Amino acid sequence: DAGVTQSPTHLIKTRGQQVTLRCSPKSGHDTVSWYQQALGQGPQFIFQYYEEEERQRGNFPDRFSGHQFPNYSSELNVNALLLGDSALYLCASSLNYGYTFGSGTRLTVV
Amino acid sequence: GESVGLHLPTLSVQEGDNSIINCAYSNSASDYFIWYKQESGKGPQFIIDIRSNMDKRQGQRVTVLLNKTVKHLSLQIAATQPGDSAVYFCAENTPYSGNTPLVFGKGTRLSVIA
Repeated sequence: DAGVTQSPTHLIKTRGQQVTLRCSPKSGHDTVSWYQQALGQGPQFIFQYYEEEERQRGNFPDRFSGHQFPNYSSELNVNALLLGDSALYLCASSLNYGYTFGSGTRLTVV
Repeated sequence: GESVGLHLPTLSVQEGDNSIINCAYSNSASDYFIWYKQESGKGPQFIIDIRSNMDKRQGQRVTVLLNKTVKHLSLQIAATQPGDSAVYFCAENTPYSGNTPLVFGKGTRLSVIA
């Protein structure tokens, strides 16, 4: 049974560009949450999707947007990339309260 | 906003000794707590959890203690092994009283000295 799958694993983008990160949840999970983890910090909550709608959102600007598809997979989009957006982006899927994390996408903005 | 934090950013222990990692939380409404282990280049891996109606829970070589009076959580690792070297995070939310996002602390790096 596959866990949470994220793609790509690594990505390098130029400041001002746009990026899309993808997440396939663990089988049976219906909720997807996205987190940003800066180097040496704990993961920070970006938003959570359930039933194809954004259910909760953390303190992130509108440049960060997402989507959840009928098969529960999800995308995270970041527009107008800033150097400070460089981080590990983690996807976590859940059913009720048990969270399973993927290995993340390492985004570097240059 | 309220957050979960840790007392010690780094911890070095001898192989075979017991490790204790501490965490303070500020949200008195939190009713679910989780400890995660994160190795380099990987996502957080679930270690053990505890609900607020409990004060102790044991797993394989790990024990989590919850003191709601002082809002303190600890993770005890028995007979620490080199494979335990990682960053450990505590996290909390309120899935039983209105779902809130999982909130993480900054983490404690555990280094096991062989």
